[in-house]
Amino acid sequence: GAGVSQSPSNKVTEKGKDVELRCDPISGHTALYWYRQSLGQGLEFLIYFQGNSAPDKSGLPSDRFSAERTGGSVSTLTIQRTQQEDSAVYLCASSLWYNSPLHFGNGTRLTVT
Amino acid sequence: AQTVTQSQPEMSVQEAETVTLSCTYDTSENNYYLFWYKQPPSRQMILVIRQEAYKQQNATENRFSVNFQKAAKSFSLKISDSQLGDTAMYFCAFIPSGYALNFGKGTSLLVTP
Repeated sequence: GAGVSQSPSNKVTEKGKDVELRCDPISGHTALYWYRQSLGQGLEFLIYFQGNSAPDKSGLPSDRFSAERTGGSVSTLTIQRTQQEDSAVYLCASSLWYNSPLHFGNGTRLTVT
Repeated sequence: AQTVTQSQPEMSVQEAETVTLSCTYDTSENNYYLFWYKQPPSRQMILVIRQEAYKQQNATENRFSVNFQKAAKSFSLKISDSQLGDTAMYFCAFIPSGYALNFGKGTSLLVTP
């Protein structure tokens, strides 16, 4: 079956512009995560959606970052007024339940010039 | 706070040898789950092994096994008969009930001929 799909795979944007990154999780998965990975670094947690519960936004680095998950399925991560330090790979992952293994997308590589 | 520590940024092992990657975590929770993920140069995150904290028996998956020491909050990964395809970043991850999945900073493993 289809895995986690992220789009676009690459995004180049100018400093100050807004960007939207999309994640289509595996159908039926209740948990959805966004992580950020800078070059050669680990995974920085951004936000976590679990079912109909309020999302855990504790990892969002600033108020320029926001995310939503519509209908318990597709999620969009929005970065407003992008900065060069936002350049990274943004990974989305979903799991059937909170303690199930994560299935990762291939990520979106964001480059802010 | 829920934290995961991987104290070995880089490791190297010869083909066919055994290597152990260390991971410690900090939590006051009693029920949680532990994972090791692998990220090869292709960037795709792959689940290696999963351990439930309530199970005393160490998980094994073919050449991969863990040494789970709950009292010491330690969760090391042993790779036996290392293969060139095992070259990757390895991330330890931990999820207590009700919280988001936390990743360590990763260990870069190089398998040499």
